[in-house]
Amino acid sequence: AQSVTQLDSQVPVFEEAPVELRCNYSSSVSVYLFWYVQYPNQGLQLLLKYLSGSTLVKGINGFEAEFNKSQTSFHLRKPSVHISDTAEYFCAVSLIKAAGNKLTFGGGTRVLVKP
Amino acid sequence: DAGVIQSPRHEVTEMGQEVTLRCKPISGHDYLFWYRQTMMRGLELLIYFNNNVPIDDSGMPEDRFSAKMPNASFSTLKIQPSEPRDSAVYFCASSPRLWQGSTDTQYFGPGTRLTVL
Repeated sequence: AQSVTQLDSQVPVFEEAPVELRCNYSSSVSVYLFWYVQYPNQGLQLLLKYLSGSTLVKGINGFEAEFNKSQTSFHLRKPSVHISDTAEYFCAVSLIKAAGNKLTFGGGTRVLVKP
Repeated sequence: DAGVIQSPRHEVTEMGQEVTLRCKPISGHDYLFWYRQTMMRGLELLIYFNNNVPIDDSGMPEDRFSAKMPNASFSTLKIQPSEPRDSAVYFCASSPRLWQGSTDTQYFGPGTRLTVL
């Protein structure tokens, strides 16, 4: 079975500062990797995903993530955050060609952007 | 496309009452998932369906919880009787049959916030 660990439950950051959210996964087979964002009182929205190819993946809203197979990590970064980036961020994995794209989620990281 | 639709958005009920949550998946999606989100336990997969058939219900917490999918465009999650510890946000998500390309993933509804008093 696969598992996902998000090392930081909360990350406070000042506006226009960079942010990195850490995600490590465990799996005995190859997986697909995802980052979702959940704005207050909303559902989850896909930020980006890694399926194959370049290990640096660019997503929406200026976010990017880098897949590191040797370290089994998929950290999310943004060089300059805005107040509107205040949200909870979830890292998730899926077995390749998993039935229904079944996802295993990490515990989430709350990002609070301060002015 | 309207996306995944859930109703109601908010539900407040008293302990012991029956609660029914509803979900309409994206048209053409073969898979439907029900999740529960709480502060203590995070995001948990309760059950998922393929072509209206329940495939894995190992996440359903107790017999008080049941889910059905009578057709491809509608699913319900029922709690009977409800208890205060069932208070949570319940999400429905749908996805296509298999990975078809770079855009495939699970699409989430806005959730139903359930409060059991």
